[in-house]
Amino acid sequence: KNEVEQSPQNLTAQEGEFITINCSYSVGISALHWLQQHPGGGIVSLFMLSSGKKKHGRLIATINIQEKHSSLHITASHPRDSAVYICAVGRIDSSYKLIFGSGTRLLVRP
Amino acid sequence: DAGVIQSPRHEVTEMGQEVTLRCKPISGHNSLFWYRQTMMRGLELLIYFNNNVPIDDSGMPEDRFSAKMPNASFSTLKIQPSEPRDSAVYFCASSSAGGRETQYFGPGTRLLVL
Repeated sequence: KNEVEQSPQNLTAQEGEFITINCSYSVGISALHWLQQHPGGGIVSLFMLSSGKKKHGRLIATINIQEKHSSLHITASHPRDSAVYICAVGRIDSSYKLIFGSGTRLLVRP
Repeated sequence: DAGVIQSPRHEVTEMGQEVTLRCKPISGHNSLFWYRQTMMRGLELLIYFNNNVPIDDSGMPEDRFSAKMPNASFSTLKIQPSEPRDSAVYFCASSSAGGRETQYFGPGTRLLVL
């Protein structure tokens, strides 16, 4: 079993829809990261969080440490949100060593 | 700030040739990471430097791979000799405090070994 599991693997939405991507992990962590990888290949860090909730524009990330679960929400989705979203966790004993999920491929149709 | 800079952006080479990938981290960042991304294995950490010192190279596949960080503003990842299975996208990332801060990724080098 992978230490970081994401769901769904693929997601297609209509523009304007509310989107949720889930991430579960099985190890003790120092922080959880959400990354976005665009079709061109570049990787952008969206959030790093170790508790609670963070918001940036239309993106919201939450984490429940007790349940070892995080969600990434996109409100009012737009075609430019189409990308692969990757969850990664830094282990509590080696925070620099990120363990990556396999990613969620999101397509937002106009 | 220009962000993390990597060169070349694309590299096509023949099996057996030496390949050198270069990275300039964000100024002031003391942590540098080399990652490899493939369809089969996703993103993998190859090596982590802190203050120019290699801290963890357990992800380096084999002796054909080597990495150096001669100063705070430059790092190289070398593959010698290259093999077709080394074809991947190689990312360099930097941060101000290892895994306790956001990692900023470079644009990647897409390597194809024929």
